Amino acid sequence: DTGVSQDPRHKITKRGQNVTFRCDPISEHNRLYWYRQTLGQGPEFLTYFQNEAQLEKSRLLSDRFSAERPKGSFSTLEIQRTEQGDSAMYLCASSGRGGPSTDTQYFGPGTRLTVL
Amino acid sequence: TQLLEQSPQFLSIQEGENLTVYCNSSSVFSSLQWYRQEPGEGPVLLVTVVTGGEVKKLKRLTFQFGDARKDSSLHITAAQPGDTGLYLCAGAGNFNKFYFGSGTKLNVKP
Repeated sequence: DTGVSQDPRHKITKRGQNVTFRCDPISEHNRLYWYRQTLGQGPEFLTYFQNEAQLEKSRLLSDRFSAERPKGSFSTLEIQRTEQGDSAMYLCASSGRGGPSTDTQYFGPGTRLTVL
Repeated sequence: TQLLEQSPQFLSIQEGENLTVYCNSSSVFSSLQWYRQEPGEGPVLLVTVVTGGEVKKLKRLTFQFGDARKDSSLHITAAQPGDTGLYLCAGAGNFNKFYFGSGTKLNVKP
């Protein structure tokens, strides 16, 4: 098992551009989560999927943000018309079948977004 | 409003000292996780506690889950510079949702 992977690890973009991040969860896990984290703070929940269904979206997620998990495996998070306030670490985590506890999340290394 | 409150927010100690980090809530969780995170990396799982009153030991780290499953503590014995990082607790609530504390930033000076 290779763990949760995220791509890219770093992204620098100009204000107004669109960006897309990818997350590949642990293969047996049916739940996938996206979080945003700013420096020195805990992760803030953005959205989560059970299989391909998006079950909850945070109010933090404006209309410029969209997430998909089309086949219940990898997921993408797109931010349209980026703003400087979007600069943060975007974390993906998965949980579900196959771990020591179905309640436990395992995180990827994150994608660091910088909006100039 | 944070569902989970961690204290202290910052801790700077000398190598060899002991410390305790607290994670408190008014809500009940089905389980609670502790993570350690280094700058620029994702959180790395340290432990999951599930049963009220449970105590788990991981080398110099001791984790305790409160009897009512609302709070937890992490105790580090003889801290080392390699323990430096952001310690996060996360509670598993209803509908597979997780709630994070704001973290405790630990700095262990050699």
